[in-house]
Amino acid sequence: EIVLTQSPGTLSLSPGERATLSCRASQDISSDYLAWYQQKPGQAPRLLIYGASNRAPGIPDRFSGSGSETDFTLIISKLEPEDFAVYYCQQYGSSPPYSFGQGTKLDIK
Amino acid sequence: EVRLVESGGGLVKPGGSLRLSCAASGFTFSTYAMNWVRQAPGKGLEWVSFISSNGNYKYYVDSVKGRFTISRDNAKNSLYLQMNSLKVEDTGVYYCVMGGGSRWGQGTLVSVSS
Repeated sequence: EIVLTQSPGTLSLSPGERATLSCRASQDISSDYLAWYQQKPGQAPRLLIYGASNRAPGIPDRFSGSGSETDFTLIISKLEPEDFAVYYCQQYGSSPPYSFGQGTKLDIK
Repeated sequence: EVRLVESGGGLVKPGGSLRLSCAASGFTFSTYAMNWVRQAPGKGLEWVSFISSNGNYKYYVDSVKGRFTISRDNAKNSLYLQMNSLKVEDTGVYYCVMGGGSRWGQGTLVSVSS
């Protein structure tokens, strides 16, 4: 079973700053099958990035993903007020379970 | 417009059963794999189960194996999750999720409590 560990647990930043979120896998996963989601309180998660680096339709270009093997990163280049939320990574590769990371809460400093 | 609408949640005693449904519209349901993902109150996301587009492949998280059964009816554009022998730790919002996570329903709340 692949375990995803996200860091930091909480990230406190101000609008306009750059956010860097990390997702580390316990074993190599294909970058084709690493996704990032954003979840706001009371809402369902929203897909941001799939295949480690591909933005989902309608996602602003301030969101970018990168990484391979065991280390993946989500960068938000210039934070907007609506970006403060919880972010999850997920692997959905060759074998289940299709685990999620524990989440990174991005809050306003 | 893609829509996923879950139903069937509610309050049930430990050991009880519930059947969740997800009505899909706005896309060719029969060509997409589907998942159930849950979220305990105040906690993170947990993948629960996967079913392939034709229903031939089904996978489960270890904690629900032998208790939950995923199924689909492509003629009715519907996804199901039969949940038996429910435990307190099964409490949470259950989301119906399309394919690679591109679309999520709004979720249905399952509460298991005596």
